[in-house]
Amino acid sequence: DTAVSQTPKYLVTQMGNDKSIKCEQNLGHDTMYWYKQDSKKFLKIMFSYNNKELIINETVPNRFSPKSPDKAHLNLHINSLELGDSAVYFCASSPWEGSTDTQYFGPGTRLTVL
Amino acid sequence: QQPVQSPQAVILREGEDAVINCSSSKALYSVHWYRQKHGEAPVFLMILLKGGEQKGHEKISASFNEKKQQSSLYLTASQLSYSGTYFCGTEPQTSNTGKLIFGQGTTLQVKP
Repeated sequence: DTAVSQTPKYLVTQMGNDKSIKCEQNLGHDTMYWYKQDSKKFLKIMFSYNNKELIINETVPNRFSPKSPDKAHLNLHINSLELGDSAVYFCASSPWEGSTDTQYFGPGTRLTVL
Repeated sequence: QQPVQSPQAVILREGEDAVINCSSSKALYSVHWYRQKHGEAPVFLMILLKGGEQKGHEKISASFNEKKQQSSLYLTASQLSYSGTYFCGTEPQTSNTGKLIFGQGTTLQVKP
């Protein structure tokens, strides 16, 4: 019944490792987003996809690579994890890429890099 | 280009009112308001569009001053459930991609 789901909810890993976070939405939306929220609660967009096509690609290190196998899924793969990558990562979706629609956020994935 | 929210934090007693402001240096197409409780995801409250259109909850009210590029969120007769961090997300007029730039947040605590 969950609208936007993410797995895992918590992720603890060592520096240098590679990890993935998965996101799925069952709302039938066309657009999905990845946001990063740091320890000061600053919420910043990283990527957005519309119907599997990359629309927004903010200044994010190349170690971060999003993948959208279909419009209901948007995964985030992170290579060579660094301490500064520790944050809460939120997936979100909206009906389309315009600004007039609500974005629905997933529960978040808390990533801790040791 | 991050919008600035004020105040940074506010403490209220149940039943009191509060106003949270969001100011941008850029001309805006829309302002979105979200509330985030500790350890949870941001939840949509309201969208205000250039031209005066609004979409949101009936019990939440907000305004958008296009001349000043400023939005205000009005919380009246506050309840304990209003506690959380409020974020405004702004979209510049030059963009129509749904890209929101969020303010730094305003923490609201409502006490019994």
